[in-house]
Amino acid sequence: EIVLTQSPATLSLSPGERATLSCRASQTVSSYLAWYQQKPGQAPRLLIYDASNRATGIPARFSGSGSGTDFTLTISSLDPEDFAVYFCQQRTNWPPTFGPGTKVDFK
Amino acid sequence: EVQLVESGGGMIQPGGSLRLSCVASGLMIDDYTFHWIRQVPGKGLEWVSLITGVGVYTSYADSVKGRFTISRDNSQNSLYLQMNSLRSEDTAFYYCAKDLDGYDNGGLFKYWGQGTLVTVSS
Repeated sequence: EIVLTQSPATLSLSPGERATLSCRASQTVSSYLAWYQQKPGQAPRLLIYDASNRATGIPARFSGSGSGTDFTLTISSLDPEDFAVYFCQQRTNWPPTFGPGTKVDFK
Repeated sequence: EVQLVESGGGMIQPGGSLRLSCVASGLMIDDYTFHWIRQVPGKGLEWVSLITGVGVYTSYADSVKGRFTISRDNSQNSLYLQMNSLRSEDTAFYYCAKDLDGYDNGGLFKYWGQGTLVTVSS
């Protein structure tokens, strides 16, 4: 099973700032890495798939990069609605696995 | 628009059984793969099980293999998760999910229900 680690665990920022979230895999996942956003009381929402493809309806301020074992989710300018928990997920090997999450909260 | 609605959660004693349901709308489930994914409140996500459309193949996480059974009723446009021999560590929100269009059975979770909470406690 591929283990994903995310850093930092918590990111404290202000609206308008840039957020950089990291995800590292225990072995290569090629480009089969997705990012999800989850707000309290809601199901996760798919943001990015295959490392860098934005899902339908996702704002352009969200971007993903990386391949192999190291990946980054960047939010170019934080909107108040972006304060949430972000999970990465790999689908290279079965079962699909998720990282523990990064919480982006208000500074 | 694809919508998934789960039901059937609740509080159950260790060793007990529950059956979760997921009703889909906005599509006919016949040809698609569906998944169950769970999340301990405030914690991370764990993939639990899948059932394919064509061929009706099923797969389970090691943590639930032999205890949980996934099934579908295409005539009811519904998915089910029969959970037996429940343990305290099965306590979680259970989500029904479908892959991104064009990525069926690809493990890319685009559509999610709102989740149903299962609490296993004496």
